[in-house]
Amino acid sequence: GQQVMQIPQYQHVQEGEDFTTYCNSSTTLSNIQWYKQRPGGHPVFLIQLVKSGEVKKQKRLTFQFGEAKKNSSLHITATQTTDVGTYFCAGPGWGNKLVFGAGTILRVKS
Amino acid sequence: EAGVTQSPTHLIKTRGQQATLRCSPISGHTSVYWYQQALGLGLQFLLWYDEGEERNRGNFPPRFSGRQFPNYSSELNVNALELEDSALYLCASSRGATNEKLFFGSGTQLSVL
Repeated sequence: GQQVMQIPQYQHVQEGEDFTTYCNSSTTLSNIQWYKQRPGGHPVFLIQLVKSGEVKKQKRLTFQFGEAKKNSSLHITATQTTDVGTYFCAGPGWGNKLVFGAGTILRVKS
Repeated sequence: EAGVTQSPTHLIKTRGQQATLRCSPISGHTSVYWYQQALGLGLQFLLWYDEGEERNRGNFPPRFSGRQFPNYSSELNVNALELEDSALYLCASSRGATNEKLFFGSGTQLSVL
């Protein structure tokens, strides 16, 4: 079945440093979604990318969808303590289920 | 607008018992998804209901089942509980169309002793 792989599993950065998480799918995706889960919280939708090569920005967050629509990345510029949490990418699998990557845990040292 | 609500927040059961978890979607949403999140792990797809029908299920044994009611709320039943069923069970809703973003509830933390 379709798999969505995410790296790294865990990243600990100094406040102010940049952070990037990468997502790779075993199949071509019609779209990719990103979610953030704060510690002790539930996943919250961040963004959806649909077009090949698409780049979207949300303040310090930059999301990219690969040209082949099989990979994606989330880059955070100048991390802040409010950025801590687990970032998940998710792509549509067979039968409309959303398949989530394992997530990247971000910790920020102040 | 009320978000996705789940109950109970916490549930403690013993091995072999049965658990029932409940979910109310956002008003106007017809699709309900259930995910299992074991400690430190990602979200594993369990079930998808839309318009009262089960549309898809993940790689879980048949003792995981559920249903969706006419008001689009849903319940997840887990029979013959095993220790490894201990996890956070998240419900999410969407408008039902494909590729829609999911809105998650706060989850039910199930502990099996």
